Order: sequence, then C-alpha cells, then structure tokens
Amino acid sequence: DAGVTQSPTHLIKTRGQQVTLRCSPKSGHDTVSWYQQALGQGPQFIFQYYEEEERQRGNFPDRFSGHQFPNYSSELNVNALLLGDSALYLCASSPRGTWAGNTIYFGEGSWLTVV
Amino acid sequence: AQKVTQAQTEISVVEKEDVTLDCVYETRDTTYYLFWYKQPPSGELVFLIRRNSFDEQNEISGRYSWNFQKSTSSFNFTITASQVVDSAVYFCALSEEGNGNQFYFGTGTSLTVIP
Repeated sequence: DAGVTQSPTHLIKTRGQQVTLRCSPKSGHDTVSWYQQALGQGPQFIFQYYEEEERQRGNFPDRFSGHQFPNYSSELNVNALLLGDSALYLCASSPRGTWAGNTIYFGEGSWLTVV
Repeated sequence: AQKVTQAQTEISVVEKEDVTLDCVYETRDTTYYLFWYKQPPSGELVFLIRRNSFDEQNEISGRYSWNFQKSTSSFNFTITASQVVDSAVYFCALSEEGNGNQFYFGTGTSLTVIP
C-alpha cells in the first residue's frame, strides 16, 4: 500500500523562476493538502484540494497555486520565486474530504532552494 | 496569535529516561482535534495520535502516553524509557471544526536521546 509520494525530492531554482511540485495521495484518499515548512519551523498550511477544487487556503499570496486531477493527484505551482520561498514543501492526503477530524498523512516532501 | 505553542525548543535526555513534551493550544471552537506527529531527519511527518475535544481520556500506546486537559488547554506527550530511535522533532497540531481540515502546527520540539 503506497503512501503519499512527492516529486522531485530536491530542486534548486533561481529567483524569479517558476516551480511545479507533484504529489500522489495515499491509496484510498481523495483530499490533498500542501504545507510549507521553513527551516526550524512548523508546517504552514498553503491550501487544500478536494473534488478538483481549492477548498481552503492559508495566508499565502496568489503566486502559490495548485491543481487536483481526476485521479486525486495534485500539483503545487509557485511563480516569481523569492529567496524566502526556500523551504520543505509537504503534501498530505486524507480521506473523506474536508472534515476537521480527518487525520492527514504526509509525504517526505520536496526540498526547494531558491538562489 | 499562535494557536499551538510548544515552548520547549530542544530537549536532551539520556537513554531510558522519561521525557514529557508540552503542547498548549488556543481555540474558540467547541469541537476541535489535536494531533501529534514525529518528524525524523528524512522529513516525513509520521502520525502518532489524534484526540477530539470531547474525549479527555488519557491514552497509552506502548512507551507513549498522552495527557489531554481542557482546563489548561494542554495536550502533553510523554515517552517512557526513551530510546535513541525516539530522537526526532515532534509537532503538536490543532484542527478546528470551523476551519475544515486545516492544521495549525506548533514550532516543534527537537528531542535528542543520548545513548
């Protein structure tokens, strides 16, 4: 039973560029959330996708966008990269939509470095 | 305002000692959920436990135990007879009925178990 998988695991981008991160949810899960974790900090919620729509969004600018596909996989796009976007980007999946009591299961993350 | 506070940034203990990780939360919702996750160096957050706001019963799972006290808004985590494999960063998180499946994480406590 595959868990949450993310790609790529590491990448380096230049300031101003764009990046796309990918996530496949755990088998049987239909909801995907994205979190940003800066070094030494806790994960910060970016947004959540369910039924191919963005259902909730955290305090992140419009440069951060996403998409969910019919097979429940998801992408996170970040435009006009800033040095401050350097972080570990974590994808998490859960079953049963946006119920607050859902346990979310994380992938190993994508380490993004902006230079 | 920080919804989840983990005041202990780093803790070091000698193997076989007991250690308690503190978590204090803040919410106005009457229905909410509390979680603990473990993050080893690989980056993936591993789910440990979920409690809902209506269940204050303490829970024990092997060497792990959790103490939930609504009166003090705390959800503390104790590891008994610590082992080197327990070394990791531990995060406490909160989700609120009024905020869907968005998780608020604390800043984490880095635990080092010295052999």
